[in-house]
Amino acid sequence: ETGVTQSPTHLIKTRGQQVTLRCSSQSGHNTVSWYQQALGQGPQFIFQYYREEENGRGNFPPRFSGLQFPNYSSELNVNALELDDSALYLCASSLSGTDNEQFFGPGTRLTVL
Amino acid sequence: AQSVSQHNHHVILSEAASLELGCNYSYGGTVNLFWYVQYPGQHLQLLLKYFSGDPLVKGIKGFEAEFIKSKFSFNLRKPSVQWSDTAEYFCAVNARGGSYIPTFGRGTSLIVHP
Repeated sequence: ETGVTQSPTHLIKTRGQQVTLRCSSQSGHNTVSWYQQALGQGPQFIFQYYREEENGRGNFPPRFSGLQFPNYSSELNVNALELDDSALYLCASSLSGTDNEQFFGPGTRLTVL
Repeated sequence: AQSVSQHNHHVILSEAASLELGCNYSYGGTVNLFWYVQYPGQHLQLLLKYFSGDPLVKGIKGFEAEFIKSKFSFNLRKPSVQWSDTAEYFCAVNARGGSYIPTFGRGTSLIVHP
């Protein structure tokens, strides 16, 4: 059974640029959630996708957007990058339903200069 | 809106000491509660969860947590810690019903000295 994978592991961008982060969910999981974890903080929920539809969204501006593909993999897109977007971005997959355990990936470390 | 407070940001213990990490949440409705752990160099993983029923829940590696509704608390405990328990611990809450928007605390860094 393959776990959650994310790419790339590290990324450096400059202010104003756009970035796409990718996540492959664990085999059999149809739900993907994205989190932003700033240094010294807990993960902050960005949004969740279930069967290619957004299924919940945290307090993030519209320049944070996502996609989920038929194979349940997912992308997180961030436009007009700001310095405060520098963080670890975590992806978690699960079966549908809030009662189900989330399995986290290793994260993508984004640095915005 | 819901929020989670973890009062101890850094905890240092010796092996065999007892552990209790505090977690309080604010939300007026019914919640699901979680503790996650991140060992050095590893992914975030679920330690234990509470949805309903017995408010004392047991997780992996000898951890347990007690949900006290009147205190809006979900403290994590372990009677005797080991060096391998050195990790970052996160409490999380998700309101039941409505949109799925989980909230995490800022985490507690636990260092256990051998």
